[in-house]
Parts: sequence; structure tokens; C-alpha cells
Amino acid sequence: EIVLTQSPGTLSLSPGERATLSCRASQYVFTNYLAWYQQKPGQAPRLLIYGASSRATGIPDRFSGSGSGTDFTLTISRLEPEDFAVYYCQQYGSSPPWTFGQGTTVEIK
Amino acid sequence: EVQLVQSGAEVKKPGATVKISCKVSGYNFIDYYMHWVQQAPGKGLEWMGLVDPEEGETKYAEKFQGRVTMTADTSTDTAYMELSSLRSEDTAVYHCATVGLFGNIYWGQGTLVTVSS
Repeated sequence: EIVLTQSPGTLSLSPGERATLSCRASQYVFTNYLAWYQQKPGQAPRLLIYGASSRATGIPDRFSGSGSGTDFTLTISRLEPEDFAVYYCQQYGSSPPWTFGQGTTVEIK
Repeated sequence: EVQLVQSGAEVKKPGATVKISCKVSGYNFIDYYMHWVQQAPGKGLEWMGLVDPEEGETKYAEKFQGRVTMTADTSTDTAYMELSSLRSEDTAVYHCATVGLFGNIYWGQGTLVTVSS
């Protein structure tokens, strides 16, 4: 089973700043099937990025994904107030099972 | 447009069984595996297992093995997840999800299951 480790655990930033979130896999992620989600309290996870770098439908272009193999990054170029949330990465290339990171909280500084 | 629509919230007593449905539209149901994911309150996301709608084959996470049954009805394009011997720790939101062409992922809206005496 592939273990995903997200860092940092919490990111304290101000609106307008750039956020860089990391997701490291314990093994190669087949076909770079790595996704990123945003989740706010009481809501379902919202798919942001799939296939490591493809934005999901309706996702603003300030969100971008990069990386391959075992190291992946989600970048939010300029934080908007609505971007403060928990972010999860997920690998679905070496399946089963799907595995998820433990989450990174992006909070207002 | 791909859609996965799940059944509504459930309240169950400890020891009971819950069965959640996930009706799909917008793609050929038998083409892609259906996965189920659990999210307990305040916790992260946990993969439960999958069903192959075409063959009926299943794979379950070890944590749920023996208590979970995943099935698919190709006549109604609906997947099901049944969890038995419910306990308080099973209180969670359960999602169905599938990976489509080019690696896009589609999720159901989630079903809240509350286990309480």
C-alpha cells in the first residue's frame, strides 16, 4: 500500500499570498494518478486536480498541480478568502487500495 | 454529464445493517470500477473497497473485510454498499466514487450514517 505524507500539517498565510503544499508517496504513483481535494467543514471533498496536473471542471486557474513519480505539489498562486480549508492528496494509480494523505490545513495568519 | 447520486441519510442502532445506493448516469456503468470511501467526523478519508460492475468482483480494505458487501445492479446502473454489525465508530459520511476516462474522478454527494442507540 502506498503511504502519502503531506506537509506541512498547517500552513498559516494571508490572503493574496502563495501557498505551496507537498504530497510525498512511499512508492511510485502509477500513471501519475494523483489528485488533490479541498474540504471545508460540513462539506464533501471538492476535486481540484486529477492526474497530478489537470484542473477539474470549474476550478480557478490559481490552483495548479505539478510533480511526478513520488513527489507532488499543489500551488495556490494567490490565496482568496474562500481558499482557507483542508487539502488532501490521493493516489489512485496503484489501486487497490486508493490512499489519501492526512491533510494540510491552510489557515488565515 | 457524469452524475453519481446517493441515497439519503440513515440512522441505525448498534448491531444493525445499512445499505447505501449510488445511481450513476452519463457514462457506461460497466466500464469503470465503483469505489467507496468513508469519512468519520473530524477524520480523514479512508478507502473501503471497490466493485467491478461488469464482473461483480470485489476488493475490500482489511478494516472492513467481513462486514462490508459491495454490489452492482447493471439493470438500474446502481451500486450498493452494505455495512453490517454497525457500531458507533461507523458513524460517518460514505461516498461512492469512480475514475473515468483520462483519470478524472467523479464522486457522489455522500450519505451520512449515524449509529446511535
